[in-house]
Amino acid sequence: DAKTTQPPSMDCAEGRAANLPCNHSTISGNEYVYWYRQIHSQGPQYIIHGLKNNETNEMASLIITEDRKSSTLILPHATLRDTAVYYCIVIKKTSGSRLTFGEGTQLTVNP
Amino acid sequence: NAGVTQTPKFQVLKTGQSMTLQCAQDMNHEYMSWYRQDPGMGLRLIHYSVGAGITDQGEVPNGYNVSRSTTEDFPLRLLSAAPSQTSVYFCASTRVAGGYEQYFGPGTRLTVT
Repeated sequence: DAKTTQPPSMDCAEGRAANLPCNHSTISGNEYVYWYRQIHSQGPQYIIHGLKNNETNEMASLIITEDRKSSTLILPHATLRDTAVYYCIVIKKTSGSRLTFGEGTQLTVNP
Repeated sequence: NAGVTQTPKFQVLKTGQSMTLQCAQDMNHEYMSWYRQDPGMGLRLIHYSVGAGITDQGEVPNGYNVSRSTTEDFPLRLLSAAPSQTSVYFCASTRVAGGYEQYFGPGTRLTVT
């Protein structure tokens, strides 16, 4: 699985967009970018995933650069409930049951 | 759907005791996994299963056993509890038919004294 690099912490004002970056320069052609988050003491929650095209769902948008070496998770209108640790994970799709969690980014949404 | 359920929510064991952490899912997901999370750290994979009757080891399998006799259930057994196994344990199931995304249970907080 490709190694990922995320900033340890970020702050965002409530109502503004939160843009969380992830570097994965060693990603291979059949590896996907997955994002999960963990709100304090709860089980991780799946957010979104993508291969090379930008993706959007009801929770967030995922922007993957053309060379696939980095990506950005966008929470369009952050709320206090979005305060969590966000994990960027790069894996082959069929390895989806064997996630490797790094340190992630602690996002704090401020009122 | 209840999703992924775990019991108990909290447990205190003495060193040397054994116990089983229960995990069940009602989403008919083929894959299931067990992770542990130590304070201030990310999750680490203990064991996983890609279907009934099939299990395999993850990153930190020592001291734990699993079995998968049905699609719905994936219990985790601690054979002889040690203080190093004090942790929060998360069970997850994977939606293979979709994008292989994982759905996690609420966790079991285990303390071994």
